[in-house]
Amino acid sequence: NAGVTQTPKFQVLKTGQSMTLQCAQDMNHEYMSWYRQDPGMGLRLIHYSVGAGITDQGEVPNGYNVSRSTTEDFPLRLLSAAPSQTSVYFCASSSTLNTEAFFGQGTRLTVV
Amino acid sequence: GDSVTQMEGPVTLSEEAFLTINCTYTATGYPSLFWYVQYPGEGLQLLLKATKADDKGSNKGFEATYRKETTSFHLEKGSVQVSDSAVYFCALTDTGGFKTIFGAGTRLFVKA
Repeated sequence: NAGVTQTPKFQVLKTGQSMTLQCAQDMNHEYMSWYRQDPGMGLRLIHYSVGAGITDQGEVPNGYNVSRSTTEDFPLRLLSAAPSQTSVYFCASSSTLNTEAFFGQGTRLTVV
Repeated sequence: GDSVTQMEGPVTLSEEAFLTINCTYTATGYPSLFWYVQYPGEGLQLLLKATKADDKGSNKGFEATYRKETTSFHLEKGSVQVSDSAVYFCALTDTGGFKTIFGAGTRLFVKA
């Protein structure tokens, strides 16, 4: 039972580079989200999706894009990486409203 | 907007001590409340939850009661173990259920 799978686990980018963080879930969950975790700030919501074809912005969306073409996948794209995007990124999914979120293992991103 | 405030850490306790981690929230409507735990190098996992006022969530010896009158959801455990060392996050989902808002996290160290 894989749950939520994120790749890669670690990544180093140069300023200005672009990349995509992958997230896949095998639980047929409708709701998926991306968070970033920074010291002393908890988890902040970047983007979320309530189903295939539907996405919306969270608390800190600038510099990131998402799409949801299938129920299973919810990739996060960094358009032009900046040092301020150095963080640990978590993808999460849940089955219905107000229920437990299942998290991936995280991607540690460093932008130099 | 909705927010969650939890006590700053780190919290350092000796094994078998009593644990309290305070959490208060600001929300419109009737949010669901959660405690998540993050062990080193891992994603978050649900510890317990409560979906309405006066509900008590419990798991692995941890408890928290949803207090609407004080807008609080404090985490307690009667006797902590070294294996409880982790970061604990208080969280709420808004009334619509689409977003989960996290507190900053409280790191707990338990000494043998």
